[in-house]
Amino acid sequence: GQNIDQPTEMTATEGAIVQINCTYQTSGFNGLFWYQQHAGEAPTFLSYNVLDGLEEKGRFSSFLSRSKGYSYLLLKELQMKDSASYLCAVRDRADSWGKLQFGAGTQVVVTP
Amino acid sequence: GAGVSQSPSNKVTEKGKDVELRCDPISGHTALYWYRQSLGQGLEFLIYFQGNSAPDKSGLPSDRFSAERTGGSVSTLTIQRTQQEDSAVYLCASSLDGRGNNEQFFGPGTRLTVL
Repeated sequence: GQNIDQPTEMTATEGAIVQINCTYQTSGFNGLFWYQQHAGEAPTFLSYNVLDGLEEKGRFSSFLSRSKGYSYLLLKELQMKDSASYLCAVRDRADSWGKLQFGAGTQVVVTP
Repeated sequence: GAGVSQSPSNKVTEKGKDVELRCDPISGHTALYWYRQSLGQGLEFLIYFQGNSAPDKSGLPSDRFSAERTGGSVSTLTIQRTQQEDSAVYLCASSLDGRGNNEQFFGPGTRLTVL
């Protein structure tokens, strides 16, 4: 099984930077995903990491260290619309397919 | 193109009744996943379909839960003799296949309330 831990809530000011950490313990690892979920809406895909290092996509970056079982999602130049829950998910197996195990999500509140 | 759709969007039922939740995946996506999300909780995996077969049913919480997929497309999740603890948002996702970095596209969910 998996344990996936991320902080419950973070608050930051518009224009600032926020880093959401995710730690995991896996029995088999084949990638880590970050999703954004606005209240009452479906999760939407943000990023995918399978190799160590940083992946940058505009204002959002995601980092992975497999040896440490650690990832973070970095949100830069925060906007009010970034207020949402951010879900860390680990692909369960190294097989040809795998379900995602999700953390409980981190609620990010952006204040003016 | 059209995304993943689910119906109904909301379902209120009485304890002990059966419910059926429907998912229409993105056309051409062979992998389909059901999750549920309870208030303040992360997404909990229920079942995975590859085509019409379900190689992984490990997340179904009890034998009251079942799911099927027909024609490699629409899937139905059935909960028999509903209990109050079944109240949650049930999310369906599809992906091109289950491999590699193929992202899962989520539907809007069905909010189930068991009174």
